[in-house]
Amino acid sequence: AIQLTQSPSSLSASVGDRVTITCRASQGISSALAWYQQKPGKAPKLLIYDASSLESGVPSRFSGSGSGTDFTLTISSLQPEDFATYYCQQFNNLLTFGGGTKVEIK
Amino acid sequence: QVQLVESGGGLVKPGGSLRLSCAASGFTFSDYYMSWIRQAPGKGLEWVSYISSSSSYTNYADSVKGRFTISRDNAKNSLYLQMNSLRAEDTAVYYCARGLSPIDYWGQGTLVTVSS
Repeated sequence: AIQLTQSPSSLSASVGDRVTITCRASQGISSALAWYQQKPGKAPKLLIYDASSLESGVPSRFSGSGSGTDFTLTISSLQPEDFATYYCQQFNNLLTFGGGTKVEIK
Repeated sequence: QVQLVESGGGLVKPGGSLRLSCAASGFTFSDYYMSWIRQAPGKGLEWVSYISSSSSYTNYADSVKGRFTISRDNAKNSLYLQMNSLRAEDTAVYYCARGLSPIDYWGQGTLVTVSS
Protein backbone atom coordinates (compact mmCIF):
# COMPACT_ATOMS: atom_id res chain seq x y z
CA ALA A 1 0.00 0.00 0.00
CA ILE A 2 1.15 3.51 -0.78
CA GLN A 3 2.00 5.54 2.32
CA LEU A 4 1.76 9.33 2.47
CA THR A 5 3.93 11.23 4.96
CA GLN A 6 2.95 14.81 5.70
CA SER A 7 5.24 17.35 7.33
CA PRO A 8 5.10 19.11 9.60
CA SER A 9 2.38 17.46 11.67
CA SER A 10 1.56 20.87 13.12
CA LEU A 11 2.70 24.45 12.71
CA SER A 12 2.03 27.83 14.25
CA ALA A 13 1.70 30.81 11.95
CA SER A 14 0.38 34.35 11.88
CA VAL A 15 -2.19 35.95 9.63
CA GLY A 16 -0.43 37.02 6.45
CA ASP A 17 2.29 34.36 6.65
CA ARG A 18 3.19 32.12 3.75
CA VAL A 19 2.64 28.51 4.76
CA THR A 20 3.99 25.39 3.06
CA ILE A 21 2.96 21.81 3.80
CA THR A 22 4.66 18.85 2.20
CA CYS A 23 3.41 15.36 1.38
CA ARG A 24 5.74 12.55 0.38
CA ALA A 25 4.50 9.32 -1.21
CA SER A 26 6.24 5.99 -0.60
CA GLN A 27 6.23 5.37 -4.35
CA GLY A 28 5.51 7.40 -7.44
CA ILE A 29 1.89 8.43 -7.90
CA SER A 30 2.22 10.72 -10.93
CA SER A 31 -0.11 13.67 -10.20
CA ALA A 32 -2.86 11.63 -8.51
CA LEU A 33 -2.93 13.74 -5.36
CA ALA A 34 -5.54 15.92 -3.69
CA TRP A 35 -5.49 18.29 -0.72
CA TYR A 36 -8.33 18.78 1.76
CA GLN A 37 -9.04 21.25 4.56
CA GLN A 38 -10.93 20.14 7.66
CA LYS A 39 -12.21 22.33 10.47
CA PRO A 40 -13.24 20.89 13.86
CA GLY A 41 -16.54 19.02 13.75
CA LYS A 42 -16.87 19.47 10.00
CA ALA A 43 -16.38 17.27 6.94
CA PRO A 44 -13.25 17.78 4.85
CA LYS A 45 -13.37 20.20 1.93
CA LEU A 46 -11.57 19.64 -1.36
CA LEU A 47 -8.98 22.34 -2.14
CA ILE A 48 -6.66 20.96 -4.82
CA TYR A 49 -6.90 17.95 -7.15
CA ASP A 50 -4.53 16.41 -9.68
CA ALA A 51 -1.72 17.87 -7.56
CA SER A 52 -2.10 21.45 -8.80
CA SER A 53 -5.67 22.11 -10.00
CA LEU A 54 -7.64 24.51 -7.82
CA GLU A 55 -11.16 23.35 -6.99
CA SER A 56 -13.88 25.76 -8.05
CA GLY A 57 -14.65 28.34 -5.38
CA VAL A 58 -11.38 27.86 -3.49
CA PRO A 59 -9.42 31.10 -2.97
CA SER A 60 -6.39 31.57 -5.21
CA ARG A 61 -4.08 31.92 -2.20
CA PHE A 62 -4.13 28.11 -2.11
CA SER A 63 -1.85 26.35 -4.58
CA GLY A 64 -0.45 22.88 -5.06
CA SER A 65 2.60 21.56 -6.82
CA GLY A 66 4.62 18.42 -7.35
CA SER A 67 4.49 15.09 -9.09
CA GLY A 68 5.91 11.63 -8.56
CA THR A 69 6.64 11.36 -4.83
CA ASP A 70 6.95 14.93 -3.56
CA PHE A 71 4.08 17.40 -3.28
CA THR A 72 3.46 20.77 -1.70
CA LEU A 73 0.43 22.75 -0.58
CA THR A 74 1.11 26.47 -0.23
CA ILE A 75 -1.06 29.15 1.33
CA SER A 76 0.39 32.42 0.07
CA SER A 77 -1.06 34.70 2.75
CA LEU A 78 -2.71 32.95 5.69
CA GLN A 79 -6.17 34.21 6.57
CA PRO A 80 -8.07 33.72 9.86
CA GLU A 81 -10.41 31.21 8.23
CA ASP A 82 -7.46 29.05 7.12
CA PHE A 83 -6.64 27.78 10.60
CA ALA A 84 -7.56 24.13 10.19
CA THR A 85 -6.11 20.67 9.56
CA TYR A 86 -4.93 19.83 6.06
CA TYR A 87 -4.72 16.35 4.53
CA CYS A 88 -3.19 15.04 1.34
CA GLN A 89 -4.72 12.01 -0.39
CA GLN A 90 -3.48 9.81 -3.21
CA PHE A 91 -5.68 7.99 -5.69
CA ASN A 92 -3.09 6.33 -7.90
CA ASN A 93 -3.50 2.96 -6.19
CA LEU A 94 -6.61 2.59 -4.02
CA LEU A 95 -6.83 5.58 -1.68
CA THR A 96 -4.59 6.75 1.14
CA PHE A 97 -4.61 9.86 3.29
CA GLY A 98 -1.65 11.55 4.87
CA GLY A 99 -1.56 11.97 8.64
CA GLY A 100 -2.62 15.60 8.56
CA THR A 101 -1.06 18.99 9.33
CA LYS A 102 -2.71 21.19 11.92
CA VAL A 103 -2.25 24.90 11.25
CA GLU A 104 -2.61 26.89 14.46
CA ILE A 105 -2.52 30.56 15.35
CA LYS A 106 0.81 31.86 16.59
CA GLN B 1 -26.95 21.41 -4.69
CA VAL B 2 -25.16 18.18 -3.86
CA GLN B 3 -26.27 16.64 -0.58
CA LEU B 4 -25.08 13.45 1.10
CA VAL B 5 -26.87 12.47 4.30
CA GLU B 6 -25.63 9.52 6.34
CA SER B 7 -27.69 7.56 8.83
CA GLY B 8 -27.53 4.34 10.80
CA GLY B 9 -24.72 5.08 13.21
CA GLY B 10 -24.94 4.33 16.91
CA LEU B 11 -23.61 2.25 19.79
CA VAL B 12 -22.95 -1.43 19.12
CA LYS B 13 -21.19 -4.14 21.12
CA PRO B 14 -17.97 -5.75 19.89
CA GLY B 15 -18.79 -8.49 17.42
CA GLY B 16 -22.05 -6.82 16.46
CA SER B 17 -23.29 -5.48 13.14
CA LEU B 18 -24.52 -2.17 11.81
CA ARG B 19 -25.68 -0.92 8.42
CA LEU B 20 -24.96 2.62 7.39
CA SER B 21 -26.95 4.39 4.70
CA CYS B 22 -26.25 7.49 2.67
CA ALA B 23 -29.00 9.35 0.82
CA ALA B 24 -27.71 11.32 -2.15
CA SER B 25 -29.40 14.21 -3.93
CA GLY B 26 -28.59 17.12 -6.22
CA PHE B 27 -26.65 15.13 -8.80
CA THR B 28 -26.97 12.07 -11.04
CA PHE B 29 -26.02 9.44 -8.47
CA SER B 30 -25.61 6.64 -11.00
CA ASP B 31 -22.81 8.56 -12.77
CA TYR B 32 -20.41 8.56 -9.82
CA TYR B 33 -18.12 6.28 -7.89
CA MET B 34 -18.90 6.56 -4.17
CA SER B 35 -16.69 6.08 -1.14
CA TRP B 36 -16.81 5.61 2.61
CA ILE B 37 -14.12 7.28 4.71
CA ARG B 38 -13.87 7.19 8.49
CA GLN B 39 -12.22 9.24 11.20
CA ALA B 40 -11.57 7.87 14.68
CA PRO B 41 -11.98 10.41 17.50
CA GLY B 42 -9.10 12.88 17.42
CA LYS B 43 -7.40 11.02 14.57
CA GLY B 44 -6.88 11.43 10.84
CA LEU B 45 -8.87 10.29 7.85
CA GLU B 46 -8.92 6.63 6.77
CA TRP B 47 -10.37 5.41 3.49
CA VAL B 48 -12.68 2.42 4.06
CA SER B 49 -14.20 1.38 0.73
CA TYR B 50 -15.34 2.50 -2.71
CA ILE B 51 -17.84 1.25 -5.27
CA SER B 52 -18.07 2.00 -8.97
CA SER B 53 -21.05 3.73 -10.52
CA SER B 54 -22.67 0.48 -11.69
CA SER B 55 -21.51 -1.61 -8.70
CA SER B 56 -19.14 -3.57 -10.95
CA TYR B 57 -16.08 -2.74 -8.88
CA THR B 58 -15.59 -2.53 -5.16
CA ASN B 59 -12.50 -2.21 -3.03
CA TYR B 60 -11.75 -2.22 0.68
CA ALA B 61 -9.04 -1.17 3.07
CA ASP B 62 -7.20 -4.14 4.56
CA SER B 63 -8.49 -3.16 8.01
CA VAL B 64 -12.10 -3.91 7.02
CA LYS B 65 -11.76 -6.50 4.24
CA GLY B 66 -13.95 -9.53 4.88
CA ARG B 67 -16.02 -7.70 7.52
CA PHE B 68 -17.53 -4.73 5.67
CA THR B 69 -19.57 -4.74 2.44
CA ILE B 70 -20.31 -1.69 0.34
CA SER B 71 -23.34 -1.56 -1.93
CA ARG B 72 -25.57 0.92 -3.68
CA ASP B 73 -29.06 1.23 -5.11
CA ASN B 74 -29.02 3.67 -8.01
CA ALA B 75 -32.82 3.61 -8.25
CA LYS B 76 -32.98 4.91 -4.68
CA ASN B 77 -29.92 7.19 -4.92
CA SER B 78 -28.52 5.42 -1.90
CA LEU B 79 -25.17 4.08 -0.74
CA TYR B 80 -24.76 1.50 2.01
CA LEU B 81 -22.07 0.03 4.24
CA GLN B 82 -22.81 -3.25 5.98
CA MET B 83 -20.43 -3.63 8.92
CA ASN B 84 -20.08 -7.01 10.62
CA SER B 85 -17.78 -8.35 13.34
CA LEU B 86 -17.28 -4.84 14.64
CA ARG B 87 -14.27 -4.07 16.82
CA ALA B 88 -13.44 -1.25 19.21
CA GLU B 89 -11.00 0.13 16.62
CA ASP B 90 -13.91 0.62 14.17
CA THR B 91 -15.19 3.42 16.41
CA ALA B 92 -15.24 6.51 14.20
CA VAL B 93 -17.28 9.06 12.33
CA TYR B 94 -18.13 7.49 8.97
CA TYR B 95 -18.39 9.82 5.99
CA CYS B 96 -20.17 9.08 2.74
CA ALA B 97 -18.36 10.80 -0.11
CA ARG B 98 -18.77 11.35 -3.83
CA GLY B 99 -16.02 10.33 -6.15
CA LEU B 100 -12.67 8.71 -5.99
CA SER B 101 -10.22 10.84 -7.85
CA PRO B 102 -10.74 13.16 -6.19
CA ILE B 103 -13.48 13.07 -3.56
CA ASP B 104 -15.36 16.30 -4.17
CA TYR B 105 -18.32 16.15 -1.78
CA TRP B 106 -18.66 14.72 1.71
CA GLY B 107 -21.63 14.09 3.98
CA GLN B 108 -21.72 15.37 7.54
CA GLY B 109 -20.83 11.95 8.94
CA THR B 110 -22.44 9.45 11.28
CA LEU B 111 -20.80 8.26 14.51
CA VAL B 112 -20.29 4.56 15.11
CA THR B 113 -19.23 3.56 18.63
CA VAL B 114 -18.17 -0.01 19.32
CA SER B 115 -18.12 -0.65 23.04
CA SER B 116 -19.39 -3.12 25.59
